[in-house]
Amino acid sequence: DIQMTQSPSSLSASVGDRVTITCRVSQDISNALVWYQQKPGKAPKLLLYAASRLESGVPSRFSGSRSGTEYTLTISSLQPEDFATYYCQHYYSNPSFGGGTKVEVK
Amino acid sequence: EVQLVESGGNLVQPGGSLRLSCAASGFTFTDHFMAWVRQAPGKGLEWVGHTANKAKNYDTQYAASVRGRFAISRDESKNSMYLQVNSLKTEDTAVYYCVKGVGGTTNFDHWGQGTLVTVSS
Repeated sequence: DIQMTQSPSSLSASVGDRVTITCRVSQDISNALVWYQQKPGKAPKLLLYAASRLESGVPSRFSGSRSGTEYTLTISSLQPEDFATYYCQHYYSNPSFGGGTKVEVK
Repeated sequence: EVQLVESGGNLVQPGGSLRLSCAASGFTFTDHFMAWVRQAPGKGLEWVGHTANKAKNYDTQYAASVRGRFAISRDESKNSMYLQVNSLKTEDTAVYYCVKGVGGTTNFDHWGQGTLVTVSS
């Protein structure tokens, strides 16, 4: 099984900050990775797929990148509505999720 | 508009069974992988299992934690997916989400609102 190690598990940030979340994968998944945003009491929402492609309707301040087996979600300028929990997930084989990163108000 | 509506969640005793349903609309049901993902209270997301699309004969795959106890099925005529959950354990307590894949992948682009299963005596 492919292991997904997401970090940090939580972070505190302010509006306007640049935020980076990392997902380390245990083997090559050829960019078959998505990022979700989840707010309390709601279902996850797809932000990016294929590691760096923005889902329709998602603001351009969200971006994704890859370096080897490390995938990164970046929020270029944090907005009030971005305080949430973020998850990575691979779809290279039977899917698995990262443990989540809670972005909190500093 | 894609819609996924789950139902069937309930309070059940350990060892009991339930059948969860997911009614799908707004897309060609047979073309897409469909999955169940769960989230225990205050915890992260866990893939439970999925059914492939018709082109892949609706093949099913399951997480090790539920294999042999849970079963996923589809009814094309009703555009519905089901999750039969048997031999329930307290650790199965979670919100269960019905999820649609993008075509023949487990890249999940639409999620239902979830249905809560509570396993407790």
